[in-house]
Formats: sequence, structure tokens, C-alpha cells
Amino acid sequence: DSGVTQTPKHLITATGQRVTLRCSPRSGDLSVYWYQQSLDQGLQFLIQYYNGEERAKGNILERFSAQQFPDLHSELNLSSLELGDSALYFCASSVETGGTGAQYFGPGTRLLVL
Amino acid sequence: KNQVEQSPQSLIILEGKNCTLQCNYTVSPFSNLRWYKQDTGRGPVSLTIMTFSENTKSNGRYTATLDADTKQSSLHITASQLSDSASYICVVTSTSGTYKYIFGTGTRLKVLA
Repeated sequence: DSGVTQTPKHLITATGQRVTLRCSPRSGDLSVYWYQQSLDQGLQFLIQYYNGEERAKGNILERFSAQQFPDLHSELNLSSLELGDSALYFCASSVETGGTGAQYFGPGTRLLVL
Repeated sequence: KNQVEQSPQSLIILEGKNCTLQCNYTVSPFSNLRWYKQDTGRGPVSLTIMTFSENTKSNGRYTATLDADTKQSSLHITASQLSDSASYICVVTSTSGTYKYIFGTGTRLKVLA
């Protein structure tokens, strides 16, 4: 158990809908990262927040957005969902601002868009 | 273009044997290289993190090497166990103004009894 929690574990929705994925980092970690893992593209870095502020951006679509709240939990919002958004979404956390330290991954949220 | 390539794509070995997984990258500028173990359907678990100046790093039966000149890394698993069956993912961190994490597609290892 990494100490990172993600909810929900599974999510089934329809195209065009909007969903919110939630992540609580390990106690004491200030950075939260979001990743997408699909069968055809492997793992991809989406976005990172550090202490409430966006710190790094990867291949995140404009239909996706994220934020980190004062209690350090983070939410990833996915809107206008398409079939291709079906994937495992992982959250990770670390103590540092990013880049150099170990990241601890949560169990993931499996999203299925029908 | 920043890329991370891993080989082989998949590997089957007998329990107790050693194996070596390869990772070649063309990422620049380079910050560090990580190896992760990922069991099917679960989050990746960090094995090692190496910076530019580190050649070797061990974590139990896992030993990673890095050659920053040739931009190659390897992960050596000693005395494999059934529980080593997983995907092993190489990730290179780039520091072009902001951090970016470039993932390899992984090597799927199966250890047989």
C-alpha cells in the first residue's frame, strides 16, 4: 500500500459525459501527479501540482483539467468524454516539487467510456 | 524527438535465473532515469532513480545501470522469483524549463516455476 488513495476504483460512463476522479496524496506529500495508461499508448504524464499550484504539464487534453485543493487532495476532471478516453488513470505523490524524488502511485481509477 | 525505447518487449525465464532489461533514450536535457515495476492492473512501484552522475544503483535483487554517454540503461534482476512477473517500465525525466516524464512501453517479464 503506497498511502495514495484514489476514488472511485471503477467508473463506467457514456460518450459526451463529464467525470471527476479524486486523489489523496500520502501524508506529508505536497506534489500530486496525474497519469493516463491506455492499451495503445502506455503510460503518459498529464499534469503535476505542487502545494496547490500547477507545476508541470504533459500531454493533457484541453477537455481535461485538474486542481489541487488546500488540503492537498487533487481532482482530475474529464469532460466531453470520447471512447478513446477509456484508460487507467493513476495519481502519484511525492514530497518534492518534482523531477528528482520518488513518486508513489495510487491504485488507479479504471474509466470505461461506452 | 524525446523517446524512450525498451527491449525486449517480453521475456520468459525460469525461476532462479537472472535477466537483464534494456532501456535506450533520446531525451534531452536529461534529469534522471527511473525504473518501475508494475503488476497487472496496479500502480507502478519505484525500483530505482538515477541521476546523470550515477552509474549503478541497487534495490535488493534489482540493479540498474546508467551510461549517460551512450544514453542507455539496464535493469538486472538476480535470482528471479515468481513474484518478479510484472511489467518493468523505464522513465526518463527531462528538465526543459519544466519537468516532463517520458515513459517507455515496458518489458513484460514472466517467471516460470
